Amino acid sequence: GQNIDQPTEMTATEGAIVQINCTYQTSGFNGLFWYQQHAGEAPTFLSYNVLDGLEEKGRFSSFLSRSKGYSYLLLKELQMKDSASYLCAVRSRGDYKLSFGAGTTVTVRA
Amino acid sequence: EAGVVQSPRYKIIEKKQPVAFWCNPISGHNTLYWYRQNLGQGPELLIRYENEEAVDDSQLPKDRFSAERLKGVDSTLKIQPAELGDSAVYLCASSPRGYNEQFFGPGTRLTVL
Repeated sequence: GQNIDQPTEMTATEGAIVQINCTYQTSGFNGLFWYQQHAGEAPTFLSYNVLDGLEEKGRFSSFLSRSKGYSYLLLKELQMKDSASYLCAVRSRGDYKLSFGAGTTVTVRA
Repeated sequence: EAGVVQSPRYKIIEKKQPVAFWCNPISGHNTLYWYRQNLGQGPELLIRYENEEAVDDSQLPKDRFSAERLKGVDSTLKIQPAELGDSAVYLCASSPRGYNEQFFGPGTRLTVL
């Protein structure tokens, strides 16, 4: 099974940088995903890491260390619209099952 | 291209009543997922279909939940009878075979009174 841990809440100022950490324990790892979910809306895909290292996509970057069971999502140049829940999800080896963390609610203040 | 469509968006029922949710995935997506998301939690997988075959239903409470995807396109998730603890958002997602990203629908918010 999976055990995924991420902080419950984070607050940051518009224009700043925020790093959301995710640690996981899994019996078989086959990729880590980050999703963004605005209140009352569907999760939308942000990033996917399967190898160690940093994946950059515009203002968002995601890092993975498989040996440490650790990932982070970095949000740069924060905008008010980035206020949302950010979900870390781990995929199991052998199937396409995603196990999600509880999500980190990010609040961006002016 | 249209996204994943779900209906209804909201449903309020009394406990012990039946309820059904409908999902139409993105055209051409072979894989379809049903998730349940409780307030303040991440989605939890209930069932996964590859075309019309349920390949993972280990998390589906089979005493009261059932699902079908008869023609390998749209799908229905049913609860009978509903219990208070079933109040949640039920999300449908789809993806092309072997694709990493899952595309989620807007969900159905179920309230059981």
